[in-house]
Amino acid sequence: AQKVTQAQTEISVVEKEDVTLDCVYETRDTTYYLFWYKQPPSGELVFLIRRNSFDEQNEISGRYSWNFQKSTSSFNFTITASQVVDSAVYFCALDVDFGNEKLTFGTGTRLTIIP
Amino acid sequence: NAGVTQTPKFQVLKTGQSMTLQCAQDMNHEYMSWYRQDPGMGLRLIHYSVGAGITDQGEVPNGYNVSRSTTEDFPLRLLSAAPSQTSVYFCASSQDGATNEKLFFGSGTQLSVL
Repeated sequence: AQKVTQAQTEISVVEKEDVTLDCVYETRDTTYYLFWYKQPPSGELVFLIRRNSFDEQNEISGRYSWNFQKSTSSFNFTITASQVVDSAVYFCALDVDFGNEKLTFGTGTRLTIIP
Repeated sequence: NAGVTQTPKFQVLKTGQSMTLQCAQDMNHEYMSWYRQDPGMGLRLIHYSVGAGITDQGEVPNGYNVSRSTTEDFPLRLLSAAPSQTSVYFCASSQDGATNEKLFFGSGTQLSVL
């Protein structure tokens, strides 16, 4: 069975600080996909990134960066110079079922950026 | 381009009532799915469909029915609502489930069962 753990339930940081959201996953499959989604206060879920298990390169997109380490089964998400608009619940998700796209989500981390 | 549209946004039911949550997408996506979101539990897959006429169960299918008669629509039916079905429901779609692309989510339906 697959499992995604986001141990940080809530995080609060002051604006402009850097913050890292942790994601640890469990799977016996050697091929899988990892995702991050953002859920702002408005409620919709917004895709941030998709990473396959064969690509361990870190990725940077503006103020966002992701660190994928298979050795520790982690896929952590860092926001640099945080802004109030980053306040949201962030979900990490795992997909091992090719052809059916059945995501296993973590419980989410609520991030609050304090002005 | 509307994307994924869910209706209604809010619904209150009494125990035992039935209702259908509607989901429609205008992106010609083959894959559609329903998730429920509960506090402290993330999102859990209820049912999914890889194309018209094909549906299958997810992690928490009990108490829910689905059908996929067209590519665009994927309604979720509660036949006899229970308080345990109080949740926020999200419909999602993607171009092709076989390539594990990103999901496009609807704005959600907040359901309360009294």
